[in-house]
Amino acid sequence: SQKIEQNSEALNIQEGKTATLTCNYTNYSPAYLQWYRQDPGRGPVFLLLIRENEKEKRKERLKVTFDTTLKQSLFHITASQPADSATYLCARYSSASKIIFGSGTRLSIRP
Amino acid sequence: NAGVTQTPKFQVLKTGQSMTLQCAQDMNHNSMYWYRQDPGMGLRLIYYSASEGTTDKGEVPNGYNVSRLNKREFSLRLESAAPSQTSVYFCASTSSDSAYNEQFFGPGTRLTVL
Repeated sequence: SQKIEQNSEALNIQEGKTATLTCNYTNYSPAYLQWYRQDPGRGPVFLLLIRENEKEKRKERLKVTFDTTLKQSLFHITASQPADSATYLCARYSSASKIIFGSGTRLSIRP
Repeated sequence: NAGVTQTPKFQVLKTGQSMTLQCAQDMNHNSMYWYRQDPGMGLRLIYYSASEGTTDKGEVPNGYNVSRLNKREFSLRLESAAPSQTSVYFCASTSSDSAYNEQFFGPGTRLTVL
């Protein structure tokens, strides 16, 4: 099956450090990957998209990489802040209209 | 712009009862989706509608039906609720004109089936 996997264990980071989250995919080559943020009790919010021909994409303190050889995307938050604490979801399209989400990684930034 | 709205926000049902979850978007999006989210399982697609007048099954359609009433509204119906359907339900929409194909989500409906 075409899976998208994220580390289900929570990630705890000291404020000011860089947080790195991993998204792995198997058995297919997605044209692009998306990253979303989800706060408790709310729906996910889109953050970034990276295409397979892009090695890296940046948005403010966020950086996403896409390694088609390793079948992996890394999501980095630099100079992390407690307000960055949330669950981060990786997603890909399986067809023109359907999207598959990973289970998400919960990130906690401690002051 | 309200974005994506869902009603109700919370619901408690008894096994065997039926109910309809309502979803509406005011962004003129073509595609709409229903997901359920369970602890440790992530978001799983129940049904989606690529455009007005069409609906298709997602990963976990059993026990659910949907109606794309018009371009704005996409409802999810549980005909005979079961405890396994206790979950948080999210509606989402996306525009086929978007360069990012990002999905916009509603606030969710928290459903408990006793």
